[in-house]
Amino acid sequence: GDSVTQMEGPVTLSEEAFLTINCTYTATGYPSLFWYVQYPGEGLQLLLKATKADDKGSNKGFEATYRKETTSFHLEKGSVQVSDSAVYFCALSDQYGGSQGNLIFGKGTKLSVKP
Amino acid sequence: EADIYQTPRYLVIGTGKKITLECSQTMGHDKMYWYQQDPGMELHLIHYSYGVNSTEKGDLSSESTVSRIRTEHFPLTLESARPSHTSQYLCASSDLTSRGTIELFFGSGTQLSVL
Repeated sequence: GDSVTQMEGPVTLSEEAFLTINCTYTATGYPSLFWYVQYPGEGLQLLLKATKADDKGSNKGFEATYRKETTSFHLEKGSVQVSDSAVYFCALSDQYGGSQGNLIFGKGTKLSVKP
Repeated sequence: EADIYQTPRYLVIGTGKKITLECSQTMGHDKMYWYQQDPGMELHLIHYSYGVNSTEKGDLSSESTVSRIRTEHFPLTLESARPSHTSQYLCASSDLTSRGTIELFFGSGTQLSVL
């Protein structure tokens, strides 16, 4: 079945460092891909998404490109801030309603940014 | 702006008590979900609903039950709470986008502690 694998954390970076969180997926059909972020004590928020191959999602300085050839959707940011400290989840949605039309989430990657 | 609300934010109760976690959304979304989030951050889908009078069990078996009498309301009930039920519970709703994919909106969660 469909699945998402993302790099295990925790990831600890200094402020202004470059961030990459790897995400790969397995899916039938033509999935849409998402990154959600969970700040401490909160629920998840959609960070960015891409709905077809070669699409680039971007928001708040974060970017991810839908790479069908490598089945990947890696999250990147050029210069992280302390306020980016959170848990990041990669997810996929099968366009044809696989998995009862539910999102498939990765296990989450905790990012801590030090001043 | 997402409008999905969960109450209470925090709940500490004794073993054997009956509890109901409330979730309401004002976005008119048909589909709603309950996720259980373990301390390792992984999300587990425990219940979902396609609409009024529809409830389905998710990927993770749960002793909780849900009901969907009104579109905007999706409460979760534990008849007899146990320490193993201690967890963060996240409610979500989804909109079907024009591309036929789903996008989730999350509440802030209820942190349940059973003593």
